Amino acid sequence: DAKTTQPPSMDCAEGRAANLPCNHSTISGNEYVYWYRQIHSQGPQYIIHGLKNNETNEMASLIITEDRKSSTLILPHATLRDTAVYYCIVRVRGGSQGNLIFGKGTKLSVKP
Amino acid sequence: NAGVTQTPKFRVLKTGQSMTLLCAQDMNHEYMYWYRQDPGMGLRLIHYSVGEGTTAKGEVPDGYNVSRLKKQNFLLGLESAAPSQTSVYFCASRAAAIAYNSPLHFGNGTRLTVT
Repeated sequence: DAKTTQPPSMDCAEGRAANLPCNHSTISGNEYVYWYRQIHSQGPQYIIHGLKNNETNEMASLIITEDRKSSTLILPHATLRDTAVYYCIVRVRGGSQGNLIFGKGTKLSVKP
Repeated sequence: NAGVTQTPKFRVLKTGQSMTLLCAQDMNHEYMYWYRQDPGMGLRLIHYSVGEGTTAKGEVPDGYNVSRLKKQNFLLGLESAAPSQTSVYFCASRAAAIAYNSPLHFGNGTRLTVT
């Protein structure tokens, strides 16, 4: 099963871009990379996902390296409300049929 | 469109008591999941279901049972609660048609304390 590695915490200044890295060196060819975030005491919120190409939506951009062994989530203009734990997840293949295993994530603190 | 709704939001149980947590989704999703979240542990999968009438074990299934009698509902049961089951429980659902490419939608959690 593909595993992910994220730094436990990061700081970012308000208004600056937040770049959150994730390593997934054992990712398989057709496994997607998902990003979620969890603001304190709320349910996790879907942000973005991708397979090979870079992706952008209204919340963030996802940059996946060509060898797909790592990715970066970019919040282009971080606000205080972006303070949350960010989870990078690779879908686990096999009997779980679309299951997602969460790690401990990166706690992003956006500071004024 | 309420999304994923969990009831109750809070509950305190005594050791040995039983209870059922209810998850309801109105998005016609095939897949449903129960996770628990403990401080510093991230989310861990308890049980999941890929359709009405089917359930399967996740990472930490011991001490829990589930049922999916209706497509829109996924119930998590604790037959004999233990203090180790004190946690925040999250339910999630996702569409199956493009299962490899469909995000999870989460409820806002049930905070359970077992004394």
